[in-house]
Amino acid sequence: GEDVEQSLFLSVREGDSSVINCTYTDSSSTYLYWYKQEPGAGLQLLTYIFSNMDMKQDQRLTVLLNKKDKHLSLRIADTQTGDSAIYFCAEKDTDKLIFGTGTRLQVFP
Amino acid sequence: KAGVTQTPRYLIKTRGQQVTLSCSPISGHRSVSWYQQTPGQGLQFLFEYFSETQRNKGNFPGRFSGRQFSNSRSEMNVSTLELGDSALYLCASSLGRGWAEAFFGQGTRLTVV
Repeated sequence: GEDVEQSLFLSVREGDSSVINCTYTDSSSTYLYWYKQEPGAGLQLLTYIFSNMDMKQDQRLTVLLNKKDKHLSLRIADTQTGDSAIYFCAEKDTDKLIFGTGTRLQVFP
Repeated sequence: KAGVTQTPRYLIKTRGQQVTLSCSPISGHRSVSWYQQTPGQGLQFLFEYFSETQRNKGNFPGRFSGRQFSNSRSEMNVSTLELGDSALYLCASSLGRGWAEAFFGQGTRLTVV
C-alpha cells in the first residue's frame, strides 16, 4: 500500500545541521519532494529530486535518495530559528502527491 | 508573478450546509489539485483537474466534488457538511501533467460547527 513514514519530532541547536528522514513505499515514484509548513500557512516547496538521482544540493539544503532502501533525507546546514516548522516528504504517484506524517523541527538557541 | 490564491482563508459553517472553496492557480498553470489536511489523517489527496477535466480522484465520498474553468481556476464543493469535514483545504498548482513542481496556496481553514 501507499505509506510514507517520517519521525514526528526533531530538536536541534541553532547553527547545527538537521537531518530529517523519510521512507516511502512506491518504487515507481518519479519525483520525491520536501515541503515546509509554518503555523497557519500552506505548504512551501523546498526542493525535489528526480528518482534517478542520488543527491541534490540547493544552498543549505541537501537531499539524499537511496532507492534501494526507499529512503529519502533532507539535511539543513547551519539551522536557524526560522527553520522551525513542520517538514513533509512526499512521493509522486501518477499526478498526485502522497505525503508523510510530517516532522516537527524545533530549533533552540 | 502571483502565487496560488485560495479564497476564502477562513470559513465557519453549520452541519448540513454546503460550502464552495476557490483556487486560482499560478498564471500559465493548467493543473490544479486539492488536498485535505487534518490532525488525524494528515494530508490526503482529493482530486486533480487538468484542462477542465477531473483526471484523478482520491478516496472521499461523493459529497466532495469539484470543477475547473477554462481559465484554470478551480472550485471544490462539499455538500451536507459533517463535523469531520473541518480541515485545512489546500490547492496545488502545476504547469501540467507530468511536471515536477507543484506549488500550494495558503489554504482555506473550514470549521464545521
